[in-house]
Amino acid sequence: QKEVEQNSGPLSVPEGAIASLNCTYSDRGSQSFFWYRQYSGKSPELIMFIYSNGDKEDGRFTAQLNKASQYVSLLIRDSQPSDSATYLCAVKSGGYQKVTFGIGTKLQVIP
Amino acid sequence: DGGITQSPKYLFRKEGQNVTLSCEQNLNHDAMYWYRQDPGQGLRLIYYSQIVNDFQKGDIAEGYSVSREKKESFPLTVTSAQKNPTAFYLCASSIGRQGVGEKLFFGSGTQLSVL
Repeated sequence: QKEVEQNSGPLSVPEGAIASLNCTYSDRGSQSFFWYRQYSGKSPELIMFIYSNGDKEDGRFTAQLNKASQYVSLLIRDSQPSDSATYLCAVKSGGYQKVTFGIGTKLQVIP
Repeated sequence: DGGITQSPKYLFRKEGQNVTLSCEQNLNHDAMYWYRQDPGQGLRLIYYSQIVNDFQKGDIAEGYSVSREKKESFPLTVTSAQKNPTAFYLCASSIGRQGVGEKLFFGSGTQLSVL
């Protein structure tokens, strides 16, 4: 079982719709969860991080964490063509600095 | 400006040759990381270091070596034992506090190809 699992996509949504990206993780001791956005040929950039159960909102982005189900998600409201990118889920193991990434979900926002 | 500098941007390796990728940060971060990214894939952890003179193997350390003699520097050597080295290599750093969620700062990456 992979430590961090994501559907590779592509996930296609029309402009203005809500995009929902999902991630599961295997280590129950994980404490911190991150969503990075990566444009082709570029370095990842942090979109959201969360470490408490529930929702965390920042502008058009909402991160959701359910530690009992070992599940973290990212919602993008009012999706724009500029949101088209690969979204990487990352998990930091508790007590250590190891950060593990999923394979990423490619999002395509159709104008 | 503070940040992470990776060099070179492009690197070519001949068969049987060792090559070293440079990573320097002036953010005063304790933790540093090396990731490998293959086309259409996520980031796979090669090595990470929580503090100077200490480093840990990641998920795909075979064929790679690192050193952490200075806080600012974390070079990665791709040895001849790495049979499929063609990939995009990303260096990252973080503050390194225990148990705290904190972002990774990434360099701009090095594209390594085999001649």
